[in-house]
Amino acid sequence: QQPVQSPQAVILREGEDAVINCSSSKALYSVHWYRQKHGEAPVFLMILLKGGEQMRHEKISASFNEKKQQSSLYLTASQLSYSGTYFCGTERYGGSQGNLIFGKGTKLSVKP
Amino acid sequence: DAEITQSPRHKITETGRQVTLACHQTWNHNNMFWYRQDLGHGLRLIHYSYGVQDTNKGEVSDGYSVSRSNTEDLPLTLESAASSQTSVYFCASSERFYGYTFGSGTRLTVV
Repeated sequence: QQPVQSPQAVILREGEDAVINCSSSKALYSVHWYRQKHGEAPVFLMILLKGGEQMRHEKISASFNEKKQQSSLYLTASQLSYSGTYFCGTERYGGSQGNLIFGKGTKLSVKP
Repeated sequence: DAEITQSPRHKITETGRQVTLACHQTWNHNNMFWYRQDLGHGLRLIHYSYGVQDTNKGEVSDGYSVSRSNTEDLPLTLESAASSQTSVYFCASSERFYGYTFGSGTRLTVV
C-alpha cells in the first residue's frame, strides 16, 4: 500500500529540469509532497486535492491524476538548494482522515 | 511563533528498557502523528491521534504506545526497547487538508 516513487535517485546540473513520479494502487483523496535535507526534518511543499488545481511552490509544481492515482512533481530550472530527498505522502479513500502513507523517497542531487 | 519540538534529540538505551520520546506542539493542531524513518523504508506511521483521548495504531505499532491527555503533547513509549527499534523518530502535527509540520526528530539507538 506504500506509494511507489520513481526514479529512486536523480542527478542534475544547475538549471536542468526533473520530474518525480508517485503512484498508488489505491484510490487517493490527496497527495502531499515534502523535501528533506540530510539530517533535517521533512518540509512541506504542497498538497494536491482530488478535484483541485495544479499547485506551485516557487519553481516547483505538481499535478494529480485522480483516475490513475498518480502525482508528478516538476522541478524546473533546478537550483543547488533543491538538493534533498523528495517524498510523496498519500491519503487514501477509505483510510483514516489526514493520515499519510509515504513513498520511499527520491534523492535529488543538483550539481553546479 | 508556533512550533513543534521533540526531546531528546539523541538517545541511547539498552535492550529491554522502557523509553519515552516527547513531542510538544503549540500550533493547536488536533492531528498528531509519530513516524519512524529507516534507510530504504522512508517514513512509516507508528501511531496517530485526532484529539484528546483519541489514539490509533498505524502500520508499525507493535511495541509502541501513545497517550493524548491534552492538545499539545503526544508522547511515544517503547514498552521494552529492541534493537529493531533503532531508528530516527519524527513527530508531526497538522489539520486536515494542510501539510504536516514535523519536529526535528529523535535519533534512538538501542544497544
